[in-house]
Amino acid sequence: QVQLQESGPGLVKPSQTLSLTCTVSGGSINSDSFYWTWIRQPAGKGLEWIGRIYTSGSTNYNPSLKSRLTISIDTSNNQFSLILTSVTAADTAVYFCARDDAAVGTMNVWGQGTTVTVSS
Amino acid sequence: DIVMTQSPDSLAVSLGERATINCKSSQSVLYTSNNKNYLAWYQQKPRQPPKLLINWASTRESGVPDRFSGSGSGTDFTLTISSLQAEDVAVYFCQQYYSTPITFGQGTRLEIK
Repeated sequence: QVQLQESGPGLVKPSQTLSLTCTVSGGSINSDSFYWTWIRQPAGKGLEWIGRIYTSGSTNYNPSLKSRLTISIDTSNNQFSLILTSVTAADTAVYFCARDDAAVGTMNVWGQGTTVTVSS
Repeated sequence: DIVMTQSPDSLAVSLGERATINCKSSQSVLYTSNNKNYLAWYQQKPRQPPKLLINWASTRESGVPDRFSGSGSGTDFTLTISSLQAEDVAVYFCQQYYSTPITFGQGTRLEIK
């Protein structure tokens, strides 16, 4: 049973960099069958797709975040990561990592989510 | 970007009654080469991540009760819960995966009347 777990600081100062890691357990991240995805959800609001990475390292980013965003993959540690620069209060949200079935395009395994607050 | 619009924003239904949630996309999510609609439905309960219920507009994920069904094609889709149970109280989201960026509807909050 594959499980995903997000980790990273819960508080980031405005203009600084947000860094999160998702650790995959119970299965290999090095699979052609999946994309590894980040999604966020501001409190009480809807879901925003941030972007995804394939095992090869190829990425798709949301254009609204692309200039500030890097998603990377570390197959040796079964992890993938998100870096978002120049954060503002608008980046405050619960951040989820998820596994996207590449044959379908839907997220069928999710982490529990981690809350990130941008505040001085 | 494909804009997904759900209706209603919230819905109260009596236990055992039918609940219907609508989702409209700003452009067709039907891929004509394989005749598949790139549309999914998720359920999100408080303090939990979303759970995938349905993909390809009408295919239930393994383990999802058969009271949940999806229908529609092109730009108009519906999630139906045939007989509402207490555990179905949640927010429901539609999602298109026809093109990136992947986009979600704003969510429909389902409550017990």
